[in-house]
Amino acid sequence: AQSVSQHNHHVILSEAASLELGCNYSYGGTVNLFWYVQYPGQHLQLLLKYFSGDPLVKGIKGFEAEFIKSKFSFNLRKPSVQWSDTAEYFCAVTTNTGNQFYFGTGTSLTVIP
Amino acid sequence: EPEVTQTPSHQVTQMGQEVILRCVPISNHLYFYWYRQILGQKVEFLVSFYNNEISEKSEIFDDQFSVERPDGSNFTLKIRSTKLEDSAMYFCASSDGQNTDTQYFGPGTRLTVL
Repeated sequence: AQSVSQHNHHVILSEAASLELGCNYSYGGTVNLFWYVQYPGQHLQLLLKYFSGDPLVKGIKGFEAEFIKSKFSFNLRKPSVQWSDTAEYFCAVTTNTGNQFYFGTGTSLTVIP
Repeated sequence: EPEVTQTPSHQVTQMGQEVILRCVPISNHLYFYWYRQILGQKVEFLVSFYNNEISEKSEIFDDQFSVERPDGSNFTLKIRSTKLEDSAMYFCASSDGQNTDTQYFGPGTRLTVL
């Protein structure tokens, strides 16, 4: 069965530090990959997505992610985090067998000013 | 920017009672979804709905659950006889296409079953 793993459950960083959140999926076929963010008290918002083409995807607020097919990974990066990036980050996958999202367990990011 | 809305934001109910969670998807979207997130666990797919019928459902979506689009704007999730383990955050989402399209999520309804 398809699954999504996020290795970091809780990350604490100081402002201006670099961020990388891991995401791996298990599915041998074509996938579409997403990162969603959930700020405290708010709903899930799309950060970025990959369907095809350039495996390095740039999203909103300075985030980017790289799809590495050989590693089944789609890690999220940001060179310099801000306090306002404090949120829960979810990796998600859809496959060519259906339109449901498979979510990871989420990574809670706390940025200390 | 159009948004998915959900009501209520928090629902408290007694075990065995029926609850209806309401969602208003983005107006030109055609695909509708329900997900749930039990506290501390991952967001799980429940069901997708297209053209007035269920297109996909997970193992979680058993006979206690049903969905309906009663009019042109609302999309509801009904739990017939709630159990303690139904306590979770329920998210509605909508998209204008299938798996190549982004799903837009509502703010969620927190269901607490006592």
